[in-house]
Amino acid sequence: EVQLVESGGGLVQPGGSLRLSCAASGFTFSSHWMSWVRQAPGEGLEWVANIKEDGSVKYFVDSVKGRFTISRDNAKNSLYLQMNNLRAEDTAVYYCARNEFTAFDIWGQGTMVTVSS
Amino acid sequence: QSALTQPPSASGSPGQSVTISCTGTSSDVGGYDYVSWYQQHPGKAPKLMIYDVTKRPSGVPDRFSGSKSGNTASLTVSGLQAEDEADYYCTSYAVGNNYVFGTGTKVTVL
Repeated sequence: EVQLVESGGGLVQPGGSLRLSCAASGFTFSSHWMSWVRQAPGEGLEWVANIKEDGSVKYFVDSVKGRFTISRDNAKNSLYLQMNNLRAEDTAVYYCARNEFTAFDIWGQGTMVTVSS
Repeated sequence: QSALTQPPSASGSPGQSVTISCTGTSSDVGGYDYVSWYQQHPGKAPKLMIYDVTKRPSGVPDRFSGSKSGNTASLTVSGLQAEDEADYYCTSYAVGNNYVFGTGTKVTVL
């Protein structure tokens, strides 16, 4: 079964850091771009970042540039999102998603990140 | 990058059709044939329904169809069923290697 499972969410203070993980199974992870997409409570979806199959190319939404980094370990079939200098507006459910061409065809169940003092 | 504009809500009776619009600019919707649509039920992850403007992934009913004209894309759900009640989001590839999502539309089956 094709599956993505996120972990690592939780409560963090403003200015703090958190590292999200996404474990992939059921498909050839190293053959796909991967993305992180977030959804603030009661709000819409927002693309956050993506990474090329071999990790050599990465793109970010402007609001997280310089604070978030995306990485992957193809040997472990895992995707990561390192989030630093977190702000209240980063509070959201974070989904990892597989890119199939220019769409997001497989999604995880999401992990909640709450930034609050 | 500004979010794509969708109507907040749409509704129809069972068996009817509903069409949701998604308006962007020449830097996103109008510039690429890379619009996709997602269905999201409460508390669940989004599900891909349409990609590359008109294509349906395997397993998605042919009641769902997509189109585009200029800077506006559309999703039509024909023969509405109770399980189609959900939030729908469009997204487009955008200049600068970004993706921009729509504001979302809540579809109600009356």
